[in-house]
Amino acid sequence: DAKTTQPTSMDCAEGRAANLPCNHSTISGNEYVYWYRQIHSQGPQYIIHGLKNNETNEMASLIITEDRKSSTLILPHATLRDTAVYYCIVRGAHNTNAGKSTFGDGTTLTVKP
Amino acid sequence: DSGVTQTPKHLITATGQRVTLRCSPRSGDLSVYWYQQSLDQGLQFLIQYYNGEERAKGNILERFSAQQFPDLHSELNLSSLELGDSALYFCASGSPLGTSGSGSSYEQYFGPGTRLTVT
Repeated sequence: DAKTTQPTSMDCAEGRAANLPCNHSTISGNEYVYWYRQIHSQGPQYIIHGLKNNETNEMASLIITEDRKSSTLILPHATLRDTAVYYCIVRGAHNTNAGKSTFGDGTTLTVKP
Repeated sequence: DSGVTQTPKHLITATGQRVTLRCSPRSGDLSVYWYQQSLDQGLQFLIQYYNGEERAKGNILERFSAQQFPDLHSELNLSSLELGDSALYFCASGSPLGTSGSGSSYEQYFGPGTRLTVT
């Protein structure tokens, strides 16, 4: 699986958009970009994933650059409950024995009132 | 609630002992993944099972073993425990979401974890 690079920490004001960047310059053509978050010591929670098109769901938006070497997770209106560690992961398809996920250190997002 | 259950929630045991952690995946998920999260090492992948068969191995020690049963629940066995084995152990389950030209994508749903303390 491709390695990812994320900033160690970020702050965001409550109600504003939080933009979390991720670099994955060694991503290969069959690898997806996934985002998870972990609040305190709870189990990580899936947020969103994408291959090459931008994606949006009820939680967030994912913007993937055209060359796929980086992506940005956008939380449109951050709340205090969005304070968490956010992990960007790149991995291959399920049926290619690519179950391993290197979660790395992630970005600690702190949403402030 | 992710639909993945793990028991027990907390476990305190002594060095040299053996423990078994249990995981029940979401209904319909065939894959089970085990992860270890300690303070100084982040979330580390241990092993994956798919429909009863071992599919991928990560940084799992020889003292640790796992299996997935016909009803798809999984157990992680940790033996000859050391102080350094104290950690949160997460189980996740998943299934393919759909396919594209690059193969299937899939989510992972994590359980609440088992906190193991070795004294």
